[in-house]
Amino acid sequence: NAGVTQTPKFQVLKTGQSMTLQCAQDMNHEYMSWYRQDPGMGLRLIHYSVGAGITDQGEVPNGYNVSRSTTEDFPLRLLSAAPSQTSVYFCASSSPLPDTQYFGPGTRLTVL
Amino acid sequence: AQSVTQLDSHVSVSEGTPVLLRCNYSSSYSPSLFWYVQHPNKGLQLLLKYTSAATLVKGINGFEAEFKKSETSFHLTKPSAHMSDAAEYFCAVSDYGGATNKLIFGTGTLLAVQP
Repeated sequence: NAGVTQTPKFQVLKTGQSMTLQCAQDMNHEYMSWYRQDPGMGLRLIHYSVGAGITDQGEVPNGYNVSRSTTEDFPLRLLSAAPSQTSVYFCASSSPLPDTQYFGPGTRLTVL
Repeated sequence: AQSVTQLDSHVSVSEGTPVLLRCNYSSSYSPSLFWYVQHPNKGLQLLLKYTSAATLVKGINGFEAEFKKSETSFHLTKPSAHMSDAAEYFCAVSDYGGATNKLIFGTGTLLAVQP
C-alpha cells in the first residue's frame, strides 16, 4: 500500500512551458485535492475532486487545470508556467467521511 | 466562511519543557479541526483531529488538543518537548458544511526545540 504518490519530486521549468504533475492513490479514496504551499501562507487549495469525472475549483485555481478520469489518478496541469507558480505542490486524498486527508510527499516546482 | 488563525509563526522551547501551539478558528458550521505536522522537505502527517466527539483529543507522539467552542480555539499541547518535535505545525478546519472535505489551513507555526 503506497498511499499517495507524486511525480516528479523536483522540476524546473521556463516561463511559458507546460507540464503535468502526477498524483496517484491506492486507497480507493473518492476525494482528491491539490494544494500549493508558499512560505508564510500555509497550504492553499487549487482544485479538488469528489469522484471520477467531478472536479471543482479551490481558492487559487487560475493557471491550473485538472481532470479525474479514474478514482486513482488526479493530474494537475500547468498550461503556461509563470514564475508566480514556483511553489511546493501537494496532492491529498480522503474518503468522504471520516475526512482525514492523506498527503503525498510533494513536488517542488521552480519556474524561471 | 471558515478560517484559521495560528497565533504564533515561530515558537522556541527547550527540550523537556511544555509545548503550546495556538490555533483559533472561525466556522459557520460545527467544525472538524485538525493538526498536521510537516518535517523538513516532507509531506504533511496528521497529528490529531476533532470531529464533534470528545473535546480533548489525543494524537500521536504525545500531542493533544482541546476544542473550546466558547473561545473558538483548538490549541495543541505536549507536556515535554523532544528534539524530534522540531517541525512546522499546521492547524486546519474542514468545510464540513459543504460536504466537500475541503481543508482551510492556517499559515503554520515553526517549532524549534533547543537542547
